[in-house]
Amino acid sequence: DVKVTQSSRYLVKRTGEKVFLECVQDMDHENMFWYRQDPGLGLRLIYFSYDVKMKEKGDIPEGYSVSREKKERFSLILESASTNQTSMYLCASSPPPGQPLHEYFGPGTRLTVT
Amino acid sequence: AQTVTQSQPEMSVQEAETVTLSCTYDTSESDYYLFWYKQPPSRQMILVIRQEAYKQQNATENRFSVNFQKAAKSFSLKISDSQLGDAAMYFCAYSRGTSYGKLTFGQGTILTVHP
Repeated sequence: DVKVTQSSRYLVKRTGEKVFLECVQDMDHENMFWYRQDPGLGLRLIYFSYDVKMKEKGDIPEGYSVSREKKERFSLILESASTNQTSMYLCASSPPPGQPLHEYFGPGTRLTVT
Repeated sequence: AQTVTQSQPEMSVQEAETVTLSCTYDTSESDYYLFWYKQPPSRQMILVIRQEAYKQQNATENRFSVNFQKAAKSFSLKISDSQLGDAAMYFCAYSRGTSYGKLTFGQGTILTVHP
């Protein structure tokens, strides 16, 4: 069965801290994504990666960076956490072209920055 | 830029009844996909149904079906014989055909199912 896991369900950090959110998928997918979910705004794409060490900015990359050293792992980094980054963060992966397009999501990490 | 709009923040339905969730989108692309995702209170987002833009036939998955109106850029989800387990946040989403699967989401609709 397909699985995307995220390192924490809930996280509380202080303003200015460096925060790492980890995501692992076991489906050998090339494409991985980080979204943030806010009420009334739906999900918005922060960054995505289409291969190891390859990344592209999404719609709201400011204040975030990512790392993908291995195919199965995609990390989201908040270099200096701020209160406006309090949100739900969802990781996803999708198969390469040629397979039915379908993003598989992790359970999400609820991050609170105080 | 593509946009997806869900104009119904909340909807409710009686168990065993039918409910339709609305979605409109804006794109200049001809090759794209549309999706409905379900996010139950446990938060794991799951795919409900997918529609390829080049297919004229509306997609169906058991009790879930869509009404895809390409010219009107409308993509509604019909849930028949609603069940308590259908209660969730529903997101409409769009993906360009060559975008590695990047999704643009609507704002979401909270569906409540009354017994």
